[in-house]
Formats: sequence, structure tokens, C-alpha cells
Amino acid sequence: EAQVTQNPRYLITVTGKKLTVTCSQNMNHEYMSWYRQDPGLGLRQIYYSMNVEVTDKGDVPEGYKVSRKEKRNFPLILESPSPNQTSLYFCASSLGQGGDTQYFGPGTRLTVL
Amino acid sequence: KQEVTQIPAALSVPEGENLVLNCSFTDSAIYNLQWFRQDPGKGLTSLLLIQSSQREQTSGRLNASLDKSSGRSTLYIAASQPGDSATYLCAPNTGNQFYFGTGTSLTVIP
Repeated sequence: EAQVTQNPRYLITVTGKKLTVTCSQNMNHEYMSWYRQDPGLGLRQIYYSMNVEVTDKGDVPEGYKVSRKEKRNFPLILESPSPNQTSLYFCASSLGQGGDTQYFGPGTRLTVL
Repeated sequence: KQEVTQIPAALSVPEGENLVLNCSFTDSAIYNLQWFRQDPGKGLTSLLLIQSSQREQTSGRLNASLDKSSGRSTLYIAASQPGDSATYLCAPNTGNQFYFGTGTSLTVIP
């Protein structure tokens, strides 16, 4: 089944404790992206990647890191999480940049205490 | 920066009614626009993708239109059903980046 998977689905952590949220797609997509969703603000793009080893900042990259060493994986790293990073995070992928349908993962709900 | 507005923010209709959801965006230099639905606590499901060269796209009871020059898109839902209850999001794409509105929360009353 074609899908985007994220792990973990739920995470409660404390300020400053490094964490990684994994994202994987099995559709051989080139484009992958991370979003956060907050009430009243909608979805905002954190980082995106157009292919292996090619990443770029979205609208809200501060406090986040990403890497794209393999085509299928695009982990989101929070090196020193803070409470303002409490949010619902989504990973998405599409065949290429620009003109293709985006497919979303199920989301990761992160709480930073 | 692209700003996306969706009106209304919430809508409640009786089953069977036809309805229109509106999306406006400030930067008309888009590649395409995608409509999604989001169910509570779940991810986003793509409904329709309209390329910038298209005016309309249809899938079943859904029809999306795009007026790129005026920065507007509409999603028309025919003969609404309770299963259509969800939040609907539009997302214009400027090439590498997608921008989302805050959505329209739709409730279809049986």
C-alpha cells in the first residue's frame, strides 16, 4: 500500500531533550516536506526536500533540522525542544516538486513540557 | 509571502444541500492549487488538484474551480452527506512551497 508513515504518533517530552520524528514514504517520491499545524494558524511549512541531499527552509524552520540521506526517509530533528514547539506535525511527499499531488502522513502530536 | 484565506471558517448545512467553499490567495504566481479534507485527529487527504492552466477539476460530487488571476478558488460539493463532515483546506503551490489556509469546518446534519 502506498503510504507515508510517521513515528512516533504521540510524544511527550521535556524541554531540551533532543528528539527525532521519522518519516518514510514507499512511493519513490522525490519531494518531501514537514509541516506543523497549530490552532488558528493552519499548516505551516518547516522544511522541504526536492531530492536526496537537497533540503531548504520553509516558513518556520527555527529550532528544527532535517536530513535527506535516502530518498524514502526525511527525519525531523529537534535538538533542544521548547514548549512553543508543542504542535501537530505532518510529513508529506509528492512525486516531484511543483505540479504533483501531495500525500500526507497521519501526523505526530508532540508535547514539550 | 503567500497569504491564504478561507471563508467561511465554519459551515453547517442539512443533508442533501449543495454548498460552496471559498479560498483566496494573494500571490497569483502559482503552479497549482490542491484541496484537502482533514478528519479530526487525522492526516490530510487530497481531494482535487488543479493545475494553473486549468479552470476546473471534477471528482464525483466535488468540483473545484480556479481563477488564478483574481487569486480565487472554490470547492463545490453537490448533494452533501453526513460523511462529508470534515475540515476542508486549500493549498496553493508556488513551486517548492505549499501554503495552507486555516480551513472551513463543515458539518452536514442528517
